[in-house]
Amino acid sequence: AQKITQTQPGMFVQEKEAVTLDCTYDTSDPSYGLFWYKQPSSGEMIFLIYQGSYDQQNATEGRYSLNFQKARKSANLVISASQLGDSAMYFCAMREGGAAGNKLTFGGGTRVLVKP
Amino acid sequence: AAGVIQSPRHLIKEKRETATLKCYPIPRHDTVYWYQQGPGQDPQFLISFYEKMQSDKGSIPDRFSAQQFSDYHSELNMSSLELGDSALYFCASRRRQLNTEAFFGQGTRLTVV
Repeated sequence: AQKITQTQPGMFVQEKEAVTLDCTYDTSDPSYGLFWYKQPSSGEMIFLIYQGSYDQQNATEGRYSLNFQKARKSANLVISASQLGDSAMYFCAMREGGAAGNKLTFGGGTRVLVKP
Repeated sequence: AAGVIQSPRHLIKEKRETATLKCYPIPRHDTVYWYQQGPGQDPQFLISFYEKMQSDKGSIPDRFSAQQFSDYHSELNMSSLELGDSALYFCASRRRQLNTEAFFGQGTRLTVV
């Protein structure tokens, strides 16, 4: 079974509008971390936001917020006030095992194109 | 701030040749990961090291090997290269004690012709 599922292969968003990128995950580990990374066309992997499984509040980082619904095992990324520079591939990822955990498992990604 | 450094940034090799990719983690980071990202694919975990010892192994072919040295830099050695090895290879590092994100290098783009 897929550990991380991103059901939106691609989407358009109008500049200055908000966009929600879906991510669902599957784990039996009570301690895990969820991450979102941005990969522009240049290829680098840029960390955006992190949510720990025990965090009570949704994570926020500037224009990025994570809508964490633990019971539904979803960790959707919300980008507010989209900018042209937000056009990129976005990956949701999970690390299991808390602080002692190791590798990241990635979803298939969602390509976002911001239209002026 | 110092970031993860990977070299070379681009590499072109012929089939059956060997390649060595290098990774210099962020200072005081004790864990290094290697990932392979094929065209249009998500990154796939290859191998990781913690304090210079292999800590986890993923879908790394037997033709590949890796190690972490005393100065914490890591090298991924790839032999008998195949066309399918063409990919973007990422190195990432973190401090295991801190429950934080892994910081990625800019990647090495390997093209096998």
